[in-house]
Amino acid sequence: EVQLVESGGGLVKPGGSLRLSCAASGFTFSSYSMNWVRQAPGKGLEWVSSISSSSSYIYYADSVKGRFTISRDNAKNSLYLQMNSLRAEDTAVYYCAREEPGGICDYWGQGTLVTVSS
Amino acid sequence: SYVLTQPPSVSVAPGQTARITCGGNNIGSKSVHWYQQKPGQAPVLVVYDDSDRPSGIPERFSGSNSGNTATLTISRVEAGDEADYYCQVWDSSSDHRVVFGGGTKLTVL
Repeated sequence: EVQLVESGGGLVKPGGSLRLSCAASGFTFSSYSMNWVRQAPGKGLEWVSSISSSSSYIYYADSVKGRFTISRDNAKNSLYLQMNSLRAEDTAVYYCAREEPGGICDYWGQGTLVTVSS
Repeated sequence: SYVLTQPPSVSVAPGQTARITCGGNNIGSKSVHWYQQKPGQAPVLVVYDDSDRPSGIPERFSGSNSGNTATLTISRVEAGDEADYYCQVWDSSSDHRVVFGGGTKLTVL
């Protein structure tokens, strides 16, 4: 059974940093691209970042470029999102999602809530 | 970057057919995927590659895509179908790879 479990969310002050993790199991993690997708309270889904299976290709939404860094450790079956210079507008539930070819996000974690507030 | 436009809300009576549209420039040339999200839950893939269904998704869910509009059709709507629905494409030509529509709230009357 495919499982994605996010962790690392919490309350952080504006300008602060946080590192999210996503633990994957039930599939060959090293064979899949992965995504971070976020959802602000009461809002829609917003793609944040993508990383290819071997970390060769990395992409970011304009809203986080230069502040967030996506990475993965295939030996540990884990995906990460380092978030720096956090802003109030980064407050959201952050989901990790497995990506099938063609950009299909076929499995999602349960999400972890990040709240940026003083 | 590529933009997908969805109506904010669609309402339908139980047993009727709901159609949720997703507009985009020449979207018919792209593969469209659809997600269902119920309150407090993660999104669930219900249709991929325009019209294919993942295992476990009822046949009542179907999709089509042509020209500038993709459509998710839910037949014989049930109360349990009430949720937010998002369309999504993969924009391989840009750095903004995964693009979501704004979402449509389906209300079952």
